[in-house]
Amino acid sequence: GENVEQHPSTLSVQEGDSAVIKCTYSDSASNYFPWYKQELGKRPQLIIDIRSNVGEKKDQRIAVTLNKTAKHFSLHITETQPEDSAVYFCAASRWDSNYQLIWGAGTKLIIKP
Amino acid sequence: EAQVTQNPRYLITVTGKKLTVTCSQNMNHEYMSWYRQDPGLGLRQIYYSMNVEVTDKGDVPEGYKVSRKEKRNFPLILESPSPNQTSLYFCASSGQESSYEQYFGPGTRLTVT
Repeated sequence: GENVEQHPSTLSVQEGDSAVIKCTYSDSASNYFPWYKQELGKRPQLIIDIRSNVGEKKDQRIAVTLNKTAKHFSLHITETQPEDSAVYFCAASRWDSNYQLIWGAGTKLIIKP
Repeated sequence: EAQVTQNPRYLITVTGKKLTVTCSQNMNHEYMSWYRQDPGLGLRQIYYSMNVEVTDKGDVPEGYKVSRKEKRNFPLILESPSPNQTSLYFCASSGQESSYEQYFGPGTRLTVT
């Protein structure tokens, strides 16, 4: 079955710097890769996602890149701000199981002022 | 407003006393899921349902039951709660209308003494 590994488990960056979180997946049939953000005490919420027919997707300060050959995808946050502090989860889903997500273990992102 | 609701939000109970956590969504989603979240362990799936009357075990189903008699509701049942089921529980739903984005409920914090 699919396995998703996420690194690092904790990431501390200076405010204004960039942050990168990486995930690898094992099932080459996976075709949907979302990223969720969970602020302290809140529920996880989708912030960006990418499908396997696209190599990169951007939304303002956040972007996701996908390397199908290497089976890894990354979340990039530029010009980090205090409100970016949260736990970020990556996930993967395959074409014949569109609703079922396999989750990474999460990355706690700390933005230092 | 499109949403997933859970009740109760907080619950303190004693070992062995049966309880039910309700989950309801108003988005006509086919897929619903229950997760538990413990410190350092990310989101672990308990049970999921692809549609009415269809349920499947997730990664940690022991000690839990679910049912899906109506599309909108997916209750989580703990027949005989134990202290190791103390956790934060999230219900989530997804469907074609949401392009497979999983919408999470606000969470239920359960303490079993």
